[in-house]
This record gives sequence, structure tokens and C-alpha cells, in this order.
Amino acid sequence: QSALTQPASVSGSPGQSITISCTGTSSDIGTYNYVSWYQQHPGKAPKLMIYDVNNRPSGVSDRFSGSKSGNTASLTISGLQAEDEADYYCTSYTFSSTLVVFGGGTKLTVL
Amino acid sequence: QVQLVESGGGVVQPGGSLRLSCAASGFTFRSYGIHWVRQAPGKGLEWVAFIRNEGNNRFYADSVKGRFTISRDNSKKTVYLQMNSLRAEDTAVYYCAKDGAAGYSSSWYWDYWGQGTLVTVSS
Repeated sequence: QSALTQPASVSGSPGQSITISCTGTSSDIGTYNYVSWYQQHPGKAPKLMIYDVNNRPSGVSDRFSGSKSGNTASLTISGLQAEDEADYYCTSYTFSSTLVVFGGGTKLTVL
Repeated sequence: QVQLVESGGGVVQPGGSLRLSCAASGFTFRSYGIHWVRQAPGKGLEWVAFIRNEGNNRFYADSVKGRFTISRDNSKKTVYLQMNSLRAEDTAVYYCAKDGAAGYSSSWYWDYWGQGTLVTVSS
């Protein structure tokens, strides 16, 4: 069982918007802004999409955005495209000895 | 361009050892911390270890503490992961990843990843 809770799957049609939630605790997401999101296509390495809750690396589409409220972080993808279909993982720094916690991943299907 | 290339994976028996390498290029290696993150087959991501830019501090996940050792050679622009007392649950693709921020502290995000190397622990 992962330390951060994500929905196992979400889906949307091209052009639509979807949001993936990532719920943690006051030991991680609730206290620290070290929340990041990664996209992973099958057989490929993860790719950084969002860091420090809501910052987008250069080269990442502005269709991707991040936010946080309390112990829950969210990744929103607007204007869904076929190439967005992938697994998405959230992660956060944590006060515990583990230092880093991940969500279990969310499979995004573009219908 | 930034490149991270892992090597050293393979099949090893339970209780055995393996050393992974991560060769870096395309950035000022001595300025950045490096992490190892693994992914068991069909499973999610798990952070494994982090070494600061100068190599003087190392951090480990509880699941590998006491068994794995991360090190680096800044002259060779290479990070290593020595894995001892391997268990079946250590079977995974191991990625090295560059820390997102230069300097002593970690940003706790990873802006570049290698392609990964597969470690299989099986008798």
C-alpha cells in the first residue's frame, strides 16, 4: 500500500479536462511544498511534469497544472490529447525516516 | 544534453550482491545530488537512495538501509549503488535520476532520468 493515495484510473475524451488527486497526511503534502508529478509511458522512464506543487519545467505543455489544498495535491490536464495517455505518479518529501513517498500511480485513458 | 546511463543490472541469487553504475554527462555533475529510484515489475515507483553533490551525505529508504550503499566519483561523473544481501523483493528496474536543484540540499524532485537497468533476484 502506497503512502500517498491516488485513484487507480481516470479517463477522459480528447479536449476534455481531468484531475488526478493525491492524498497524503500532515507529515508530507500537508506540510511541505515538495510535491511533484511524473508521467510514465509503458516501458519508458518517468518524466517530470510538475515540481514544487505547481511549477512546470521548461518544455512541458501549459495544459498541465498542479495545485494543493491541505493534505491533497492535484494534477489537472486540460485539452486532453491522445499522447497524454500514460501512468501518472505523485510524490512528496516526508518528515518520516522514509524521506520520500510516492502515490501508487494513476492510469489515464484517453477515450 | 543531459544524459544518465545506468548499467550493471542482471540476475543474482537471493543473498547475493550487485553494483549498479550511473554515468552522467551534459551538466555540471559535481553540483547536483543524484538519486536512485526503482520500480518493481508492474508496480509503482519507490525512492531508494540519495547522495549529495559532494558525496559527503547519503540517505536511504528504510527498505534498503544497511544493505545498499550509494557512492559517487565526481572525477568520473559516475554514481554507484552497491546492493548486498539482495532479496526477491529487490527485483525491479533501477533508475538513477538527477536532483532538480544545484547545491547541497535536495529539491526532492528529479528532472532527468536514465533509461533504467533491470535487477532480478531469483534462484
